[in-house]
Amino acid sequence: NAGVTQTPKFRVLKTGQSMTLLCAQDMNHEYMYWYRQDPGMGLRLIHYSVGEGTTAKGEVPDGYNVSRLKKQNFLLGLESAAPSQTSVYFCASSQGQSSYNEQFFGPGTRLTVL
Amino acid sequence: GNSVTQMEGPVTLSEEAFLTINCTYTATGYPSLFWYVQYPGEGLQLLLKATKADDKGSNKGFEATYRKETTSFHLEKGSVQVSDSAVYFCALLNTGGFKTIFGAGTRLFVKA
Repeated sequence: NAGVTQTPKFRVLKTGQSMTLLCAQDMNHEYMYWYRQDPGMGLRLIHYSVGEGTTAKGEVPDGYNVSRLKKQNFLLGLESAAPSQTSVYFCASSQGQSSYNEQFFGPGTRLTVL
Repeated sequence: GNSVTQMEGPVTLSEEAFLTINCTYTATGYPSLFWYVQYPGEGLQLLLKATKADDKGSNKGFEATYRKETTSFHLEKGSVQVSDSAVYFCALLNTGGFKTIFGAGTRLFVKA
């Protein structure tokens, strides 16, 4: 099992460019999440999905879009990147609706927007 | 609403010292509590968890006890190693929920 994988690992964008971050999990998990991690801010939830074909907004959704066309994949899109979106992005997944379920994290994508 | 508060870092210790990282929570219902660890350059991974009051989670020499009366879940280790240097996150997941609430993280440095 690869667990949760993310591509790319690093990316540098210019302001206004677009990109898509890909997250894939091979654990058949229902729930998937995108977080951003900034110094001193901990983890902030951007968007999440409770199943194939569903998405919902988290704490900081502005400037991002997501799609979950297949259960194993969760895509995060930046349509017009801004310097404020410079961050480390983590994808995570978890099993069904139970309070016992921990989240499994990918290794992260470090994004710099110039 | 639900929230997690953990002690600010960084915490700097010498090898073999005793570690405590404080964590308190606010939640409706009966949450499960977690400690996650993030090693440099990696994603978070589960360190230990406890799902009901008075449960003790333990792993790799770390322990935390779910104290409902004080709404706390403090992380302890009797003798830290340099390899324990990382950021530690306390977190809660409420009954029937699917969004984990994370604390801000506490960075630990262990010196040889």
